[in-house]
Amino acid sequence: GQQVQQSPASLVLQEGENAELQCNFSTSLNSMQWFYQRPEGSLVSLFYNPSGTKQSGRLTSTTVIKERRSSLHISSSQITDSGTYLCAMGDNYAQGLTFGLGTRVSVFP
Amino acid sequence: GPKVLQIPSHQIIDMGQMVTLNCDPVSNHLYFYWYKQILGQQMEFLVNFYNGKVMEKSKLFKDQFSVERPDGSYFTLKIQPTALEDSAVYFCASSSYRGNQAPLFGEGTRLSVL
Repeated sequence: GQQVQQSPASLVLQEGENAELQCNFSTSLNSMQWFYQRPEGSLVSLFYNPSGTKQSGRLTSTTVIKERRSSLHISSSQITDSGTYLCAMGDNYAQGLTFGLGTRVSVFP
Repeated sequence: GPKVLQIPSHQIIDMGQMVTLNCDPVSNHLYFYWYKQILGQQMEFLVNFYNGKVMEKSKLFKDQFSVERPDGSYFTLKIQPTALEDSAVYFCASSSYRGNQAPLFGEGTRLSVL
């Protein structure tokens, strides 16, 4: 079945530092999403990015299908960026997504 | 923008009782999903639902689980009877089945089975 590997598992940043989160997947995909999960558990959708590069504020997502990977870049990290970042992929958006285990990010002053 | 709403945000129930989790999907969406996340663990797909039927379900979707969307109202997940291992956060999502639109997720319902 599909497998989604995220790295690193956790990351500690000083406020203002940049970070790169990685997501690797085992099969081809038609759907790739990045989510932010707040410490209390609620989900925020960050990007729907099955290919190419997308940017929103300080966040940039890049997906390279032939290399079966996607990355999330956080620039100038802030304390409020702390939480867990999840990537999820799917073969068909009508089917269920397969999630990675997430990268737990902690940003300190 | 459009949102998927989940009601309630937290539910506490005694083991063996029935529980219904409610999801108010985006109005013009056609596909509906439930996911389960045990605290500290991976988010996992449970089921998807289209045109009044279950289209796909995972091995986590036990016989005690059922889904429905009567008359285009709430999309519900019913667990009867509940077990301790059903304690988790359950996320609902809906999708419009358009190539450039991702499924939208609700904020989750935390279910605590005592």
